Amino acid sequence: DIQMTQSPSSLSASVGDRVTITCRASQGVRNELAWYQHKPGKAPERLIYAASSLQSGVPSRFSGSGSGTEFTLTINSLQPEDFATYYCLQHHNYPPLTFGGGTKVEIK
Amino acid sequence: QVQLVQSGAEVKKPGASVKVSCKASGYTFTSYDINWVRQATGQGLEWMGWMNPNSGNRGYAQKFQGRVTMTRDTSISTAYMELSSLRSEDTAVYYCARTNGDLDYWGQGTLVTVSS
Repeated sequence: DIQMTQSPSSLSASVGDRVTITCRASQGVRNELAWYQHKPGKAPERLIYAASSLQSGVPSRFSGSGSGTEFTLTINSLQPEDFATYYCLQHHNYPPLTFGGGTKVEIK
Repeated sequence: QVQLVQSGAEVKKPGASVKVSCKASGYTFTSYDINWVRQATGQGLEWMGWMNPNSGNRGYAQKFQGRVTMTRDTSISTAYMELSSLRSEDTAVYYCARTNGDLDYWGQGTLVTVSS
């Protein structure tokens, strides 16, 4: 099975900062990767699909890039509502699906 | 609009089973797989398995093989996930999600607490 290594596992940032989160796949997954935001008590929300396509309704400060084995989620100008945990998900050769370990974004 | 509505919170004793439902609306239920994901206390998201509502075909993560069963009732557009031989480590929020490549729509989650 494909393993997803996500880094960092947590970070502290201030409102207005630029934040970058990385996921590395153990083998190539083409662009079959999505990013999710997860807040306590709520369902995960898809931000990015197909590695770089922005989900409708998601603010443009979120962007995704990468292909193959290395992927990045960038949040430009972090807002108070962005403090959450973020996960990547690969769906190449589904099933199975594999999540990254998560990145908790906390307020500095 | 697409909606997945899950059943309510459950409290179970160790060794018992739990069955969580996931009612779909706003799309053709048999056209998309349903996957189940859980988040145990203090842990990340964990994939449990998938089911094709049209064929009934299903597959489970190795970790849950032998303990999980995923079924569906197409007449009421509802998917089910049953987990048996519950232990304290199964205390978690369980989510169903529609699969369209990745997981595009999610249920609201069902908290299952395993406690004696």
